[in-house]
Amino acid sequence: DGGITQSPKYLFRKEGQNVTLSCEQNLNHDAMYWYRQDPGQGLRLIYYSQIVNDFQKGDIAEGYSVSREKKESFPLTVTSAQKNPTAFYLCASSINSGNTIYFGEGSWLTVV
Amino acid sequence: GESVGLHLPTLSVQEGDNSIINCAYSNSASDYFIWYKQESGKGPQFIIDIRSNMDKRQGQRVTVLLNKTVKHLSLQIAATQPGDSAVYFCAEKTSGTYKYIFGTGTRLKVLA
Repeated sequence: DGGITQSPKYLFRKEGQNVTLSCEQNLNHDAMYWYRQDPGQGLRLIYYSQIVNDFQKGDIAEGYSVSREKKESFPLTVTSAQKNPTAFYLCASSINSGNTIYFGEGSWLTVV
Repeated sequence: GESVGLHLPTLSVQEGDNSIINCAYSNSASDYFIWYKQESGKGPQFIIDIRSNMDKRQGQRVTVLLNKTVKHLSLQIAATQPGDSAVYFCAEKTSGTYKYIFGTGTRLKVLA
């Protein structure tokens, strides 16, 4: 089945802890993205990657980090420096950075 | 999981009626537009897209209209069904850039 797989679906983070959200795609897309969704707001871009071993900060990158070691994988780490991490996180991909983006099913992160 | 659309405008329509969801986009240079459907707790699904060289594009039961003069985009859903209940939001982009701007969305409720 082709698509974008995010895991875990639900994640709880303790204060001071780093957590990593997984995103895998088998669509052979070059570009991948991480967005954050908060109630009543449009999606905000955290990081994006146009190609393997390359990524750029989005609008709200502070407190987050990513890696792009493989074309199909783009994990997002939410570090302890992110002061308000509770949100719905969406991974997306596109054939290249100029094309239609498609989303995964999302991951809920809650601070406990 | 908590809904990400707690404070969105809501459109309520009777099952079988047509729905019209509107979006005012922000950037006059935007030339590519997408409508997404997002069900509660899930990732956004691509519905239909349109480029700025078109005023109208039709899909299965959906039509997107673009009015560049007033920077307005609309999504029409014919014969609305209970399964159409979701949050709908638009996205805009300018050619040559990677960055999408997302609207906050409208909640569509289909009344039986």
